[in-house]
Amino acid sequence: EAGVAQSPRYKIIEKRQSVAFWCNPISGHATLYWYQQILGQGPKLLIQFQNNGVVDDSQLPKDRFSAERLKGVDSTLKIQPAKLEDSAVYLCASSLAVGAVGTQYFGPGTRLLVL
Amino acid sequence: EDQVTQSPEALRLQEGESSSLNCSYTVSGLRGLFWYRQDPGKGPEFLFTLYSAGEEKEKERLKATLTKKESFLHITAPKPEDSATYLCAVQARGAQKLVFGQGTRLTINP
Repeated sequence: EAGVAQSPRYKIIEKRQSVAFWCNPISGHATLYWYQQILGQGPKLLIQFQNNGVVDDSQLPKDRFSAERLKGVDSTLKIQPAKLEDSAVYLCASSLAVGAVGTQYFGPGTRLLVL
Repeated sequence: EDQVTQSPEALRLQEGESSSLNCSYTVSGLRGLFWYRQDPGKGPEFLFTLYSAGEEKEKERLKATLTKKESFLHITAPKPEDSATYLCAVQARGAQKLVFGQGTRLTINP
């Protein structure tokens, strides 16, 4: 079974530029998550989708971050404009379960450096 | 607010030297506690899920245990390939998101 795919793997941008990340979850997984992991810290949830709908975006900085999940499969996360403090690894995860305990499977992440 | 604290932040062991990693948590009703392993440059890899106090799970040299306030990840006779960051996360009742601790960076010297 193929895992969670993410691209690009690495991105370096200047502050105030925009950037987009892409995620393809495990086939059949209804729930998709975007996490931000700052160096030396655990992942922090940014947004959770269940099929096409947003379940939790309470920690998403909505003035600069946006995300969408079209047709309940792939998802993109965008930052515009980027700040220095956005330098982090952006992890995408997916899970099969809906409304129950479900193991989340993570992709390799996109490493973003904002200069 | 749900919180997870892991200790120690870093641990260095000799090959074969057994030890334990701690995960203390406060959550408004525990739905599940998860352990993940993260290698440098990679995403977290699922290890275990524990659901209730007293539960234990094992996988090779790792054993996870759970009480009402904390979880331990015991590593028995570790090998250098066990070197990684180990992350603990909780899922609260009624929620699906995971709240992670900061991780324990484990190094096993040959």
